[in-house]
Amino acid sequence: AQSVTQPDIHITVSEGASLELRCNYSYGATPYLFWYVQSPGQGLQLLLKYFSGDTLVQGIKGFEAEFKRSQSSFNLRKPSVHWSDAAEYFCAVGAEQAGTALIFGKGTTLSVSS
Amino acid sequence: GAGVSQSPRYKVAKRGQDVALRCDPISGHVSLFWYQQALGQGPEFLTYFQNEAQLDKSGLPSDRFFAERPEGSVSTLKIQRTQQEDSAVYLCASSSRRGEGNTGELFFGEGSRLTVL
Repeated sequence: AQSVTQPDIHITVSEGASLELRCNYSYGATPYLFWYVQSPGQGLQLLLKYFSGDTLVQGIKGFEAEFKRSQSSFNLRKPSVHWSDAAEYFCAVGAEQAGTALIFGKGTTLSVSS
Repeated sequence: GAGVSQSPRYKVAKRGQDVALRCDPISGHVSLFWYQQALGQGPEFLTYFQNEAQLDKSGLPSDRFFAERPEGSVSTLKIQRTQQEDSAVYLCASSSRRGEGNTGELFFGEGSRLTVL
């Protein structure tokens, strides 16, 4: 079955500390992988995406993610968290074919403490 | 428009009422998706349109849910005889300009929050 697992429901990180959000996927085809962020009352904003090539991808707001095929993982990282990063983060998997629906994980809520 | 626009942003309905939610995708986008996001959950796929054709409606939870995109642009998600379990945020997303390669990326609207009392 195709699925995305985000093992951490809620993470609290001190401002300035590093962050890693975990994502594991199960997908039958070559995966396209995404991380989206959602602030309260807002839609989802794309942070970064991986299609092929370099397995370390850079995104907006200083985020990066590394694709590890052997581990079926696509973990999101940030070296130094800012208070404005507090939000809900969703990992998603899709495919190359146009019209393929993205499958989302249940999300990880990030809280940032001062 | 510049982004995906959804209306209404908030809708309160009494159980049994019919509701209609509108999505105005990014101009020129061929693909349009509807997702349902329950509280504390990730978005779950409902249905997909390529232009005016509804190619996948496997995610619609019951025959009370109906979606259309008659001219290949604006889409409406209709829920008949609403039930409390229909309470959720309904997200619309669009992608893929005609003639361009598929990036797989979806552009989301801010959603319509439906509360059924």
